[in-house]
Amino acid sequence: EDQVTQSPEALRLQEGESSSLNCSYTVSGLRGLFWYRQDPGKGPEFLFTLYSAGEEKEKERLKATLTKKESFLHITAPKPEDSATYLCAVQVESGTYKYIFGTGTRLKVLA
Amino acid sequence: EAQVTQNPRYLITVTGKKLTVTCSQNMNHEYMSWYRQDPGLGLRQIYYSMNVEVTDKGDVPEGYKVSRKEKRNFPLILESPSPNQTSLYFCASSSRQAGNTIYFGEGSWLTVV
Repeated sequence: EDQVTQSPEALRLQEGESSSLNCSYTVSGLRGLFWYRQDPGKGPEFLFTLYSAGEEKEKERLKATLTKKESFLHITAPKPEDSATYLCAVQVESGTYKYIFGTGTRLKVLA
Repeated sequence: EAQVTQNPRYLITVTGKKLTVTCSQNMNHEYMSWYRQDPGLGLRQIYYSMNVEVTDKGDVPEGYKVSRKEKRNFPLILESPSPNQTSLYFCASSSRQAGNTIYFGEGSWLTVV
């Protein structure tokens, strides 16, 4: 069964304390892996797309990496404004647009 | 501005009273879908559409209907809402030209009492 698991469920960091969020997946075939940021009561906001193992993408304090079994979202020197829920989604290699979402990691960065 | 627009944003309704949540996108995307988001369960796909007049069930389609008569619009219909359909709903769109990235609307909070 296709599955996406994110860990940890919640994470509290001090401002400037770097860390990583994990997204592990078990799917029949990977077409793409997506990271989103979601603020409370808002729609998910696109961050990155990764297509193949070894690929990396960076944006400000965020860096996403991909292996054959998991993806990491590295947050370097986070600020309070980075507090949000981070969602991972996998597009399954199939004839349709099938996406599987993880349940997210709630990040809180303390000043 | 490229966007997915859904209405209403907030709605309280009573059990059994039919309602429609509209969704429109201005990016000429061929793919559109509806998700619901519940605490601890994440985003679950309700229905999706690969193109005009082509729709299919997602993971939780029971109690919902959709139609895709125009490329830009994809309304979600609750024929007889029940309290277990109280949730936060998101419309989304995507295309191959956009790298299959899903773009979400701002969400519609629905409460059924």
